[in-house]
Amino acid sequence: KAGVTQTPRYLIKTRGQQVTLSCSPISGHRSVSWYQQTPGQGLQFLFEYFSETQRNKGNFPGRFSGRQFSNSRSEMNVSTLELGDSALYLCASSLEGPLGNSPLHFGNGTRLTVT
Amino acid sequence: AQSVTQPDIHITVSEGASLELRCNYSYGATPYLFWYVQSPGQGLQLLLKYFSGDTLVQGIKGFEAEFKRSQSSFNLRKPSVHWSDAAEYFCAVGPGDYKLSFGAGTTVTVRA
Repeated sequence: KAGVTQTPRYLIKTRGQQVTLSCSPISGHRSVSWYQQTPGQGLQFLFEYFSETQRNKGNFPGRFSGRQFSNSRSEMNVSTLELGDSALYLCASSLEGPLGNSPLHFGNGTRLTVT
Repeated sequence: AQSVTQPDIHITVSEGASLELRCNYSYGATPYLFWYVQSPGQGLQLLLKYFSGDTLVQGIKGFEAEFKRSQSSFNLRKPSVHWSDAAEYFCAVGPGDYKLSFGAGTTVTVRA
């Protein structure tokens, strides 16, 4: 079974631009979570989706948004990029999400660099 | 609120020696607990998980962890470390509010 696929692997953007990251979950998984990883803040929760519904959102500004499609694929968007948005963005999928006893499976991430 | 503390930022261990990584959590009910490993430039790979039942959990790559409710701990152990175990290790707790909370991570260096 294929794992979680994130595209692209690397992105370089300029301040003020916007970016869209994509995540394809493991087949059959209906929950997708997004995390931001930086050396200073570690792994920070962005949001979680289940069957196209956002069930929770982390403490990030409104510039960070996401969505999930009917096939469970998910995208996250960051508008008006700032230098501090440079990070590794990780997507994770699971059968039922964190409340169910199925663990999160992570993709290899998208490395975003903002210049 | 849920949180995880990994007291050791960096551990160096000789190949063949035993390894123990500490994890302390804060959670209001019975937690779900996880250990993940991350190699440079990669995502997180699940090593093992605890949901309920036997407090000693076996995982992949020869790792095990023990859930101790009285100490709010979930320490990770491996009897004999291989050079390929050099990586960063993360402990996580959930599932409050549909999310996991991660510790800051412990970097493991393996010396020959």
